[in-house]
Amino acid sequence: TQLLEQSPQFLSIQEGENLTVYCNSSSVFSSLQWYRQEPGEGPVLLVTVVTGGEVKKLKRLTFQFGDARKDSSLHITAAQPGDTGLYLCAGEGSSNTGKLIFGQGTTLQVKP
Amino acid sequence: DVKVTQSSRYLVKRTGEKVFLECVQDMDHENMFWYRQDPGLGLRLIYFSYDVKMKEKGDIPEGYSVSREKKERFSLILESASTNQTSMYLCASSLLFGRGNWAEAFFGQGTRLTVV
Repeated sequence: TQLLEQSPQFLSIQEGENLTVYCNSSSVFSSLQWYRQEPGEGPVLLVTVVTGGEVKKLKRLTFQFGDARKDSSLHITAAQPGDTGLYLCAGEGSSNTGKLIFGQGTTLQVKP
Repeated sequence: DVKVTQSSRYLVKRTGEKVFLECVQDMDHENMFWYRQDPGLGLRLIYFSYDVKMKEKGDIPEGYSVSREKKERFSLILESASTNQTSMYLCASSLLFGRGNWAEAFFGQGTRLTVV
């Protein structure tokens, strides 16, 4: 069974601080995705990384896929209250059927 | 605008009742999924389907069954609801891997089910 471990599970920071969320596995994934979920809504895709070592930027968010395609990180620069939410990493398994496996999630609270 | 619609936002059912959760997508996606979401456990896959009438068990299929008679509709069935099935249920759909779309999943808004 492929597993994704996210850390930390909870993060409470002040506006303007930087933070990094990690997503680790002992398995290789063909791609990794990051989703953000707000209360009462379903998760929404932020980014997909598919190449080992790939770095993608989305405004103040930087996503990296590990060289071995077993881990990923999300770094937020100068966090804002609007970044508050649940961040989930998800990996597409090796079965090539589009089955997505999710990590436990990181709950981020950014205080003004 | 892509859309995944779940039939109910909130449901309250009694122990032992048969419960149907319905999900419809309008994107012609091959894949459809049912997850349950519990605090600290993330999203756990119950069942998924990659074609009409095809289904595969996820990580926690016990106590659940599914039905996919049409491409756009995927139903989750709790044959005899129990209190430990109280949870948030999320439906999602995606293109089949290999179509140039890296299996981005589109989610419905969720159904919060309470079994009393």
